[in-house]
Amino acid sequence: SQTIHQWPATLVQPVGSPLSLECTVEGTSNPNLYWYRQAAGRGLQLLFYSVGIGQISSEVPQNLSASRPQDRQFILSSKKLLLSDSGFYLCAGGVGNEQFFGPGTRLTVL
Amino acid sequence: DQQVKQNSPSLSVQEGRISILNCDYTNSMFDYFLWYKKYPAEGPTFLISISSIKDKNEDGRFTVFLNKSAKHLSLHIVPSQPGDSAVYFCAASGGTSGSARQLTFGSGTQLTVLP
Repeated sequence: SQTIHQWPATLVQPVGSPLSLECTVEGTSNPNLYWYRQAAGRGLQLLFYSVGIGQISSEVPQNLSASRPQDRQFILSSKKLLLSDSGFYLCAGGVGNEQFFGPGTRLTVL
Repeated sequence: DQQVKQNSPSLSVQEGRISILNCDYTNSMFDYFLWYKKYPAEGPTFLISISSIKDKNEDGRFTVFLNKSAKHLSLHIVPSQPGDSAVYFCAASGGTSGSARQLTFGSGTQLTVLP
């Protein structure tokens, strides 16, 4: 079975600072990888997905970007954080219909 | 436009009784449905899924029912236990073969099982 690792678990950043969240996957090769955000009291919104190294698709226009430098590594970044970027960020991986999630990163932008 | 809707934000059930969580969808291209359970400050955990070629799938205390004509699915938990208290997300998937399967999530239902 696959395991999704994410870090850090929590992060407090000032407005305008950069962001880098990392996700790695164990237990499977060539997974599809996903970044989601859960805003307070709301469902999960898909931000980015990737079907392979260097291949990124964006679902919503935003202040964030994603990269996949290695098969099992997925990075979420921003050059300048906004207050509205606060939320719970989840990385997921999957092959086929099911996706497995990491533990998440709670980001607070002050 | 919410393609997957969970109209009940919360549900309270007595321990030992049945919990029924509901989910409606609008996109007829969805062909696979999943339920996830989420505790605070943790990632969602996969619970059970169902393909559109079936109308029922059972796994232990969890059963998912799919009514394609009504575009409705439900998750039954019998018997409910206090440890089942969590937010439950319904998700739907549909897409062409070979592409990344994207999940569309509902907004979640907070289940509280009372001892």
